[in-house]
Amino acid sequence: DGGITQSPKYLFRKEGQNVTLSCEQNLNHDAMYWYRQDPGQGLRLIYYSQIVNDFQKGDIAEGYSVSREKKESFPLTVTSAQKNPTAFYLCASSLGRAARSEAFFGQGTRLTVV
Amino acid sequence: SQQGEEDPQALSIQEGENATMNCSYKTSINNLQWYRQNSGRGLVHLILIRSNEREKHSGRLRVTLDTSKKSSSLLITASRAADTASYFCAPGSARQLTFGSGTQLTVLP
Repeated sequence: DGGITQSPKYLFRKEGQNVTLSCEQNLNHDAMYWYRQDPGQGLRLIYYSQIVNDFQKGDIAEGYSVSREKKESFPLTVTSAQKNPTAFYLCASSLGRAARSEAFFGQGTRLTVV
Repeated sequence: SQQGEEDPQALSIQEGENATMNCSYKTSINNLQWYRQNSGRGLVHLILIRSNEREKHSGRLRVTLDTSKKSSSLLITASRAADTASYFCAPGSARQLTFGSGTQLTVLP
């Protein structure tokens, strides 16, 4: 089935560690996005990518890094520089130019710092 | 970045009633999308309305767009308990897809 897959579903990180969240899509979408959602809040854009080997910072990029080496994959690394990383992370993709078409979301990764 | 503001923040209605949510935004858009999120899950696309459209229907959903007022509304008719979720609008700008804080809809059986 076509879709967008995030893994793992739950992730625990110790203070000072980097962790990488996976996002894979087989929809042949050009655009991919990462969002952060805190309890009872909306989604805040971390990074987005319009095309392979290109990505742009969103509103809250500090403490995060991404890569887009393949069209299908857009991994997000939460670095030790992110002081409050506990949150729900959502990945999405869309066909063509951002915001001109429907976005498909993964089921999210819940990251907890222990 | 363009971000919609949904209103009200929370809405509680009885099953069978209609639910109306509003979205305001600040700059020109190409389209506006509405999404739904069940607790702890990803978002699901509901409907997209283009800037040259004024109204669009999909099943029990009706969306309106007033570009002069920079606002949109989502109407869910004959609501069901399964409609309980958070609803987000996403004003479409050229490059980004951004969201507001959403409206939490609770439909009581």
